[in-house]
Amino acid sequence: GEDVEQSLFLSVREGDSSVINCTYTDSSSTYLYWYKQEPGAGLQLLTYIFSNMDMKQDQRLTVLLNKKDKHLSLRIADTQTGDSAIYFCAESNSGFQKLVFGTGTRLLVSP
Amino acid sequence: GAVVSQHPSWVICKSGTSVKIECRSLDFQATTMFWYRQFPKQSLMLMATSNEGSKATYEQGVEKDKFLINHASLTLSTLTVTSAHPEDSSFYICSARPGQGASRSNQPQHFGDGTRLSIL
Repeated sequence: GEDVEQSLFLSVREGDSSVINCTYTDSSSTYLYWYKQEPGAGLQLLTYIFSNMDMKQDQRLTVLLNKKDKHLSLRIADTQTGDSAIYFCAESNSGFQKLVFGTGTRLLVSP
Repeated sequence: GAVVSQHPSWVICKSGTSVKIECRSLDFQATTMFWYRQFPKQSLMLMATSNEGSKATYEQGVEKDKFLINHASLTLSTLTVTSAHPEDSSFYICSARPGQGASRSNQPQHFGDGTRLSIL
């Protein structure tokens, strides 16, 4: 079945860039997503990318997709303490049907 | 836009009680809603896909008689945990996908804030 993997933890200083990485196994993935979860809360959709795109930029967020290597990354520029949260990547292969989530990366931003 | 409201946000009840959780799409209609379960420090596990006007589709290993899902309207899905026991304690999150029929094909899922269920 599908599998999505992420590193568990990332620590950066305020103002630095953060890069969160994700790998997936399903070669038929159509859409790939990044969600943010703050403590005790649901998931907030940050951005998503269609599989025929290599890059998508939205303000401080840049998503890079290497479809050959099945590697997705999320870069957060000028990381702020408010960016501290768990970040999940997810994939789906049939137009926003079932989502398969990664293990989540806990981002800690220190002042 | 695309706000999903989940209620209650936290419930504590005794073992054997049935608990109903509501998931509402506030500013859009959703033919399809999803129910997830999340254990502490773990990822989300899809439990079932809720389809308006028809039976829910459950993932493998999820007891449909234990977790009853009703999607009676285009803005409301409910999950009832029947005869809850301590092992059912978890964080339950719903999501909804805007649109009906073919129009939903370009819309991502939007999530509620989750319900923390604690069974004593």
